[in-house]
Amino acid sequence: DTAVSQTPKYLVTQMGNDKSIKCEQNLGHDTMYWYKQDSKKFLKIMFSYNNKELIINETVPNRFSPKSPDKAHLNLHINSLELGDSAVYFCASSQRLEDTQYFGPGTRLTVL
Amino acid sequence: GQNIDQPTEMTATEGAIVQINCTYQTSGFNGLFWYQQHAGEAPTFLSYNVLDGLEEKGRFSSFLSRSKGYSYLLLKELQMKDSASYLCAAMDSNYQLIWGAGTKLIIKP
Repeated sequence: DTAVSQTPKYLVTQMGNDKSIKCEQNLGHDTMYWYKQDSKKFLKIMFSYNNKELIINETVPNRFSPKSPDKAHLNLHINSLELGDSAVYFCASSQRLEDTQYFGPGTRLTVL
Repeated sequence: GQNIDQPTEMTATEGAIVQINCTYQTSGFNGLFWYQQHAGEAPTFLSYNVLDGLEEKGRFSSFLSRSKGYSYLLLKELQMKDSASYLCAAMDSNYQLIWGAGTKLIIKP
């Protein structure tokens, strides 16, 4: 009965590769998010989706692209991975944009 | 610009009380959130304040002063399992959360 789930939990890959991280929520929420948490522990918003429409797109490289097949899923695709992409990526969801956000377990991405 | 300040690290003794402060500057304000994050885990929601005053929830309480741009999280009867990072986040006028870097709380026996 996991509320927000992500796969994989760990991802180790070479520079230049393309990878995807999947996220699913079973809370019936309308809004989903992707965050990046770097080694300094700052949580930085990358994207959010509300009813399948992108509503926030921070200044992230266009190598990162969110894809939402339905409102319960928000996947993150990353092209041409770079060393600086190494971080923990968290998916989150909330009922509405102004409501409390609930986080998935995180995906630790290591780019070699 | 938008900014959240909180101490980097605090140490407290098991059974004691600790107060973690947070000051914020945002473009508009739609509430202040506190999250707990254990090492290697996801942030979990603790509290939300949008009106001035104290919100109590068991051993944890959170206070907000909108005029001062200030909040604190109060943890009572500290337990070893309370060792974690505590993240302060303010919601701006666009309903975007602005996050602090977190306060690492170390509990000693």
